[in-house]
Amino acid sequence: AQKVTQAQTEISVVEKEDVTLDCVYETRDTTYYLFWYKQPPSGELVFLIRRNSFDEQNEISGRYSWNFQKSTSSFNFTITASQVVDSAVYFCALRPGGTSYGKLTFGQGTILTVHP
Amino acid sequence: GAGVSQSPSNKVTEKGKDVELRCDPISGHTALYWYRQSLGQGLEFLIYFQGNSAPDKSGLPSDRFSAERTGGSVSTLTIQRTQQEDSAVYLCASSLGSGWDTQYFGPGTRLTVL
Repeated sequence: AQKVTQAQTEISVVEKEDVTLDCVYETRDTTYYLFWYKQPPSGELVFLIRRNSFDEQNEISGRYSWNFQKSTSSFNFTITASQVVDSAVYFCALRPGGTSYGKLTFGQGTILTVHP
Repeated sequence: GAGVSQSPSNKVTEKGKDVELRCDPISGHTALYWYRQSLGQGLEFLIYFQGNSAPDKSGLPSDRFSAERTGGSVSTLTIQRTQQEDSAVYLCASSLGSGWDTQYFGPGTRLTVL
């Protein structure tokens, strides 16, 4: 069974602060993919980043960076110099590998509020 | 290019009525997914279509729920004899294929069952 846990229900920061969103996952699959999605107040889920289980290289993309650690089953996401427009619900998701599986398992989401 | 579109954006219905929700995937995407987002259950997978293969229906909560995909493109999610617990936002997503491919989501249909 797949499981994703986002322990932080809500985070509140002031603009320009850095913020890290935590994600811990459980899976028995050796191949899998991890994703972060953002859901702004408009409601649409917006894809942010993805990582496959074979690649633990951490990257930075603009103000976003992520830290994937297979040893601790964690896939944390950091926003640097947060902005008010970053206020949204952030979801971590896990997807089994292979060509026949399609379903994403989502965490419960973390509500991020960035105050001016 | 155009993203995933869903209609209607909002649907209010009475308990016991049937409803149909529509999803238009991104052009060229062969995989299509339905999810449900509710306060109590979070985001849940419902059903997955991949090309001409039999759909993965493992997430459908009851036999009142069904979905079809015609011509490998548009999909309709049907809920028969709606119950109040069916109230949720129904999200559709599509991806180029499966496996590696990222799922892109539509804006959702908010269903309210009175």
